[in-house]
Amino acid sequence: AQSVSQHNHHVILSEAASLELGCNYSYGGTVNLFWYVQYPGQHLQLLLKYFSGDPLVKGIKGFEAEFIKSKFSFNLRKPSVQWSDTAEYFCAVNARGNNRLAFGKGNQVVVIP
Amino acid sequence: DTAVSQTPKYLVTQMGNDKSIKCEQNLGHDTMYWYKQDSKKFLKIMFSYNNKELIINETVPNRFSPKSPDKAHLNLHINSLELGDSAVYFCASSHQQVLNTEAFFGQGTRLTVV
Repeated sequence: AQSVSQHNHHVILSEAASLELGCNYSYGGTVNLFWYVQYPGQHLQLLLKYFSGDPLVKGIKGFEAEFIKSKFSFNLRKPSVQWSDTAEYFCAVNARGNNRLAFGKGNQVVVIP
Repeated sequence: DTAVSQTPKYLVTQMGNDKSIKCEQNLGHDTMYWYKQDSKKFLKIMFSYNNKELIINETVPNRFSPKSPDKAHLNLHINSLELGDSAVYFCASSHQQVLNTEAFFGQGTRLTVV
């Protein structure tokens, strides 16, 4: 079964700083990769996804993520964060053709104005 | 139009009670899920149904019983509620027949057992 690791659970940074959140997964086969965001008190929303093709994917709100197959990683980046990016960020992995969407433990990101 | 809707949004109840949470999706998806998010925000899958059939049943106490009357609905019934059941429960759906698919989540039900 696939598993997902996210490190640095709590991240605090100032507005305009750059953000990078790491995500590593363990599964040897083909995977679909996702980043979800959960704003305070809200449900999970899809930020971006990777299925195939260009390993650098762009999502909403200026986020992007890069799939590096050799490292089993799918790190999320944003060059300049805003206060409104304060949220919990979850990496998720789905083995192709499998019903199970496995989540990492999340990164709590707090952006200070 | 709400894609995945759950009711109620908040549920406060006493230990020992039985309660249900309802979920409906209008996306035409064939697969629905229940996830539990604990106080540390960790998301863990509980159940998954595909076309009304149970396909994933994680290690969940049998006090939790999902029911899928049709592929657009997946309800969660919980018997003899315990303090440790307090969490946010998220329903989700996806289209399993589509190779590349994403899951859509409901707003969550915050269950507090007192």
